[in-house]
Amino acid sequence: AQSVAQPEDQVNVAEGNPLTVKCTYSVSGNPYLFWYVQYPNRGLQFLLKYITGDNLVKGSYGFEAEFNKSQTSFHLKKPSALVSDSALYFCAVRPLGTGGFKTIFGAGTRLFVKA
Amino acid sequence: EAGVVQSPRYKIIEKKQPVAFWCNPISGHNTLYWYLQNLGQGPELLIRYENEEAVDDSQLPKDRFSAERLKGVDSTLKIQPAELGDSAVYLCASSFTSSETQYFGPGTRLLVL
Repeated sequence: AQSVAQPEDQVNVAEGNPLTVKCTYSVSGNPYLFWYVQYPNRGLQFLLKYITGDNLVKGSYGFEAEFNKSQTSFHLKKPSALVSDSALYFCAVRPLGTGGFKTIFGAGTRLFVKA
Repeated sequence: EAGVVQSPRYKIIEKKQPVAFWCNPISGHNTLYWYLQNLGQGPELLIRYENEEAVDDSQLPKDRFSAERLKGVDSTLKIQPAELGDSAVYLCASSFTSSETQYFGPGTRLLVL
């Protein structure tokens, strides 16, 4: 079965420190990969996506993500965390091929950035 | 450019009552999605429209849920009758095509008592 795993329910980091939010996936073929952020009482906001090309993708608000095909991972990173980055982060995968337009979301990782 | 608009933002109803949610996608976006998001979980697709055609409704509980997208723009999602387990956030998203990035509305938070 195709799936997305975000192994950490919560990530805590001090402001100014680098952050990583992990995502691994299990799908057939080469999928599209996405990260979204959700603030309280808001919908999901698109951060970045990987389709093909350079394994390091840069997105909004200083976030970037690294695609690792051998480890089937797509970890979200930021060199220096801000308190305002505190939110819920979702990794999403869109498998390609038959029925390939269905996006599968992870369960989410809550990021707390402490001042 | 206006984003995806949803209404109402919040709805409280008693079980067995009907409820409807409305979504206006980003102008020019042909693909529209309805998702269900339970507390502490990621969104799960209910239905996807390409223009006015529902092309993926395999996860929509058709005994009580229905959706329509007349004229290929606005969409309505209905539940009749609502059950306690339907309490969740209902998210609408749109994209230019099925292969493009999805943009989400703020969601409708439903509480069934």
